[in-house]
Amino acid sequence: QSALTQPASVSGSPGQSITISCTGTSSDVGGYNYVSWYQQRPGKAPKLMIYEVTNRPSGVSNRFSGSKSGNTASLTISGLQAEDEADYYCASYTSSITLVFGGGTKLTVL
Amino acid sequence: EVHLVESGGGLVKPGGSLRLSCAASGFTFNDAWMSWVRQAPRKGLEWVGRIYIKTNGGTTDHAAPVKGRFTISRDDSKNTLYLQMNSLKTEDTAVYYCTTYDKGAFQIWGQGTMVTVSS
Repeated sequence: QSALTQPASVSGSPGQSITISCTGTSSDVGGYNYVSWYQQRPGKAPKLMIYEVTNRPSGVSNRFSGSKSGNTASLTISGLQAEDEADYYCASYTSSITLVFGGGTKLTVL
Repeated sequence: EVHLVESGGGLVKPGGSLRLSCAASGFTFNDAWMSWVRQAPRKGLEWVGRIYIKTNGGTTDHAAPVKGRFTISRDDSKNTLYLQMNSLKTEDTAVYYCTTYDKGAFQIWGQGTMVTVSS
């Protein structure tokens, strides 16, 4: 199972909105509503930010939102803050009954 | 508060074995599907495998790179998840995270334990 495709890096200024894409196939992202997103700060464990494409766990800011169109899922962060600077990973369930991650995107807040 | 604490990491030679443990607290462990995820140094996240709860047969799924070498198991009486790693290769060097798995996502993560495979 190949990794999902994410941009290596994105950047934005405080207050702006950014979107990170996650492209797969009809056997993973496009075939199931089990897409999730994770935030990982340096030296820390990942943290779940979005599950089932659009759902936010309790305690996650509503500045984070998820969506999906066809084989591409997206994470949007609005009102960008310095604390949002981190690596972000998407993940999806697959038709092989496995899970696959994206390669990760480094978000820089300018 | 939900807690997952991994242990058992360390330095091992290629071809060797290691068993990781993950102690769970703060939730009903025997009702939780569990998973292992790893991260090689300066690399991305990689799913290792998953174990269902006993009422779902307690079955396991493993990623292709570790199938036949790694085995996930659980002891619900001890609230503990295990990862038995055999025939280790240098490319298995990574931080190994224990996670809960629900609604298709890795919900809660431990702090990770480092495994280094080197001669």
